[in-house]
Amino acid sequence: ETGVTQTPRHLVMGMTNKKSLKCEQHLGHNAMYWYKQSAKKPLELMFVYNFKEQTENNSVPSRFSPECPNSSHLFLHLHTLQPEDSALYLCASSQEVGRGSYNEQFFGPGTRLTVL
Amino acid sequence: ILNVEQSPQSLHVQEGDSTNFTCSFPSSNFYALHWYRWETAKSPEALFVMTLNGDEKKKGRISATLNTKEGYSYLYIKGSQPEDSATYLCAFLKNTGFQKLVFGTGTRLLVSP
Repeated sequence: ETGVTQTPRHLVMGMTNKKSLKCEQHLGHNAMYWYKQSAKKPLELMFVYNFKEQTENNSVPSRFSPECPNSSHLFLHLHTLQPEDSALYLCASSQEVGRGSYNEQFFGPGTRLTVL
Repeated sequence: ILNVEQSPQSLHVQEGDSTNFTCSFPSSNFYALHWYRWETAKSPEALFVMTLNGDEKKKGRISATLNTKEGYSYLYIKGSQPEDSATYLCAFLKNTGFQKLVFGTGTRLLVSP
């Protein structure tokens, strides 16, 4: 496998379910990101991990819980979501976050989430 | 609040037409401007990272220019082909604080045979 992969590609869940999204990057990068894209809105940054440490939480509700066990894997744990959380969730990676880096990011194909 | 605007929202051209679209961003605290190409059901793919005022970059039939003083970038596609159909995203990176890409909503291009 190359690049950034995400599983599952599609997910339908009820508001009381618990599910997890998985992202894996094979690029040797040290930074990983979760983005949300809702219809007709720009990509919205949710979380950033740099060298496995969370460096950004963009005021995301606690029903979304990220986990980064190592630099290659990133999870997004979902619990008691709302219908308005239905969106495309994209994972990305970059070399690292910091000064001197132009932060070129490599994206996965996304998970299309529907909350009923 | 940083605003990155892209226009037009969508564009429909015929095969062989040349086209261009615009990304507007804040002219202060500029660090870099990214262009991505995003085909339906695929991953967004980086096209260009532009960092200097007056930059021009080219990849095949696609090219981009950058004006940081007035806060805009143009993306040009020469002789559009159906495989160019995609959403083209730009993203602004500022030179202060946390390095976060701020994305526009994209221009959706459809090229008909």
